[in-house]
Amino acid sequence: QSVLTQPPSLSAAPGQKVTISCSGSNSNIGRKYVSWYQQLPGTAPKLLIYDDNKRPSGIPDRFSGSKSGTSATLGITGLQTGDEADYYCGTWDNSLSAGVFGGGTKLTVL
Amino acid sequence: EVQLVESGGGLVQPGGSLRLSCAASGFTFSTYWMNWVRQAPGKGLEWVASINLDGGGKYYGESAKGRFTISRDNAQNSIYLQMNSLRAEDTAVFYCGRGSGAPDSWGQGTLVTVSS
Repeated sequence: QSVLTQPPSLSAAPGQKVTISCSGSNSNIGRKYVSWYQQLPGTAPKLLIYDDNKRPSGIPDRFSGSKSGTSATLGITGLQTGDEADYYCGTWDNSLSAGVFGGGTKLTVL
Repeated sequence: EVQLVESGGGLVQPGGSLRLSCAASGFTFSTYWMNWVRQAPGKGLEWVASINLDGGGKYYGESAKGRFTISRDNAQNSIYLQMNSLRAEDTAVFYCGRGSGAPDSWGQGTLVTVSS
């Protein structure tokens, strides 16, 4: 059972938009910045979004992040088949004094 | 360019020990917290441990408490994870990550397999 809650799977057609939710609490998302990661099969996670809504250099603006209260959202527009991957949210939890991740969302582009 | 290179993984018997290393380059190592995160086969990411700038603050996930020890050597730009009393459920790819809790850079991972 993950501290952060994500939908296990989502699917959408190429060119469409999808949003992935990440629900937490006041001890984590409510007080700390959220990061989002993309993990392609057999590879290490790659940072997509940090500090709730900032994109690292090289990440296209099709990827966006937002946060409201104790929930965060990753948005992906103009879906491409190459976006098929597992997506994770992560942050720090002040009460646990621990890093926490969501359980991951498997995105299928069909 | 930030580079994190893990090493030390391998096959170990249940109850055995293993020491993982992570060599960092491309940034001022002593100014960043560092982490270990693992991923069991077919499963999600699990935060294992974090260490603060001078190594005086160490934080562990429940599965690591009492069995794993994180450490760092700022002179060698490296972090380590000493793992004792290993169990089959510790089988995973272990990633080294930069930052506190949710890393902004990741290594390629090293596979730890606990099996007899």
